[in-house]
Amino acid sequence: DIVMTQSPDSLAVSLGERATINCKSSQSVLYSSNNKNYLAWYQQKPGQPPKLLISWASTRESGVPDRFSGSGSGTDFTLTISSLQAEDVAVYYCQQYYGAPITFGQGTRLEIK
Amino acid sequence: QVQLQESGPGLVKPSETLSLTCTVSGGSISNYYWSWIRQPPGKGLEWIGYIYYSGSNNYNPSLKSRVTISVDTSKNQFSLKLNSVTAADTAVYYCARVGAARPYYFDFWGQGTLVTVSS
Repeated sequence: DIVMTQSPDSLAVSLGERATINCKSSQSVLYSSNNKNYLAWYQQKPGQPPKLLISWASTRESGVPDRFSGSGSGTDFTLTISSLQAEDVAVYYCQQYYGAPITFGQGTRLEIK
Repeated sequence: QVQLQESGPGLVKPSETLSLTCTVSGGSISNYYWSWIRQPPGKGLEWIGYIYYSGSNNYNPSLKSRVTISVDTSKNQFSLKLNSVTAADTAVYYCARVGAARPYYFDFWGQGTLVTVSS
C-alpha cells in the first residue's frame, strides 16, 4: 500500500495569512508515461462530506477559489491557501489514486489563530 | 449535477451484515466507477472499494474478505454489504463517484450515513 503522511496534523493561521499543508507518499505517484501525479486534495468541514479541491496535484476544480493551489511531484506535495479566510477552517486530506488500494493522508486540521 | 444519496439501517448488531444502497440522480451510473468510503467518528477516511458500472470491482485488502459491492444499472444504484461487523465498523459511510476511464479521485459525494454497530 502507498502510505500518505501529512504534516502538520494541525495548523493555526491568522486571517489573511498563508497556510501550507504538506503530503508525502511512501512511493512516487508520478506516472511516467503521461507525466501526471495521481494526487488529489479534499476539504472537509464539520458534518459535511469531503469536497474535491484539486486533482492531478495542481488542477483546481471548477468553483474552487484561486487562493487554493497545489504543487509538488513524485512523493512530495503541498496544498497552499494564499490568504486564509474564515470559511477555510476545515480538515484537509490528500489522496493518491496511483494504485490500489486508494489511500488518504491522516488529515490536517486548519484553524484560525 | 450528479447527486448521490446513501440509504440503509443506522444500527446493526455485532456479527450481522451492514447493507447500504447509494442512489445516483442527475446522471447515469453507466461509464463510471463508483465507490464506498467510510470515516469512523473523529477519524480519517478509509476507502472500502469501488465498482465499475459493468460490475468489475476492487476492494481494500483490509476489508476484502467481508465486503461485497454490487451495481444495479436499471435502478441507477450501487450497494455495499459488509458482513460480520464489529464495533470497529461504526462509521459514517459515504458513496462517491470515482472516475470514468479509470478510478481516480472522488468528484461527487453523498452526504454520508452514520452506521452504528451495537447490540
